[in-house]
Amino acid sequence: AQSVTQLGSHVSVSEGALVLLRCNYSSSVPPYLFWYVQYPNQGLQLLLKYTTGATLVKGINGFEAEFKKSETSFHLTKPSAHMSDAAEYFCAVSSNTGGFKTIFGAGTRLFVKA
Amino acid sequence: NAGVTQTPKFRVLKTGQSMTLLCAQDMNHEYMYWYRQDPGMGLRLIHYSVGEGTTAKGEVPDGYNVSRLKKQNFLLGLESAAPSQTSVYFCASTPGQGARETQYFGPGTRLLVL
Repeated sequence: AQSVTQLGSHVSVSEGALVLLRCNYSSSVPPYLFWYVQYPNQGLQLLLKYTTGATLVKGINGFEAEFKKSETSFHLTKPSAHMSDAAEYFCAVSSNTGGFKTIFGAGTRLFVKA
Repeated sequence: NAGVTQTPKFRVLKTGQSMTLLCAQDMNHEYMYWYRQDPGMGLRLIHYSVGEGTTAKGEVPDGYNVSRLKKQNFLLGLESAAPSQTSVYFCASTPGQGARETQYFGPGTRLLVL
């Protein structure tokens, strides 16, 4: 069975500071990993995803994540936070043997202070 | 393209009432999904469809039914609403087999069951 753990339900950073949102996964087969962002009163939209190949994945709005198999992690980072980054972020995992199911983490709400 | 749209945006029901949530997509996607989002629990899959005329159960299907009579539409029904079904419901779609595909989400339907 697959699972996702997001460490910290709330993260607060100052504008211009590093953003680090942590995600650890469990999967017995090669995983596909995703980060989605949800702005207030909106649906989720894809930030970035890892399927195969390069383990450092770049996404929209300056975000990137690195797949580390040895640590079973897929942490999301951004060098400098902007006020517009305030949102909820979801890590998700799926696999070819998981059928059509994507497992989502509980989410991390990011607050950005001026 | 409107992408994925959901109707209605918000609804209040009394216990025992029924309703249907409509999801429509104009991207010619094969796969469609219904999720519910509850605080601290991320998204959980209710039902999904791999094509017109087909449906399957997800992680939390009890109390819900679905239909996919047309490729572009995926309906979620609550026959007898219960307070435990108070949630935000999201529809999503993918062009092909779900595992590595990006999911495209609708804006959500907020349902309150009294």
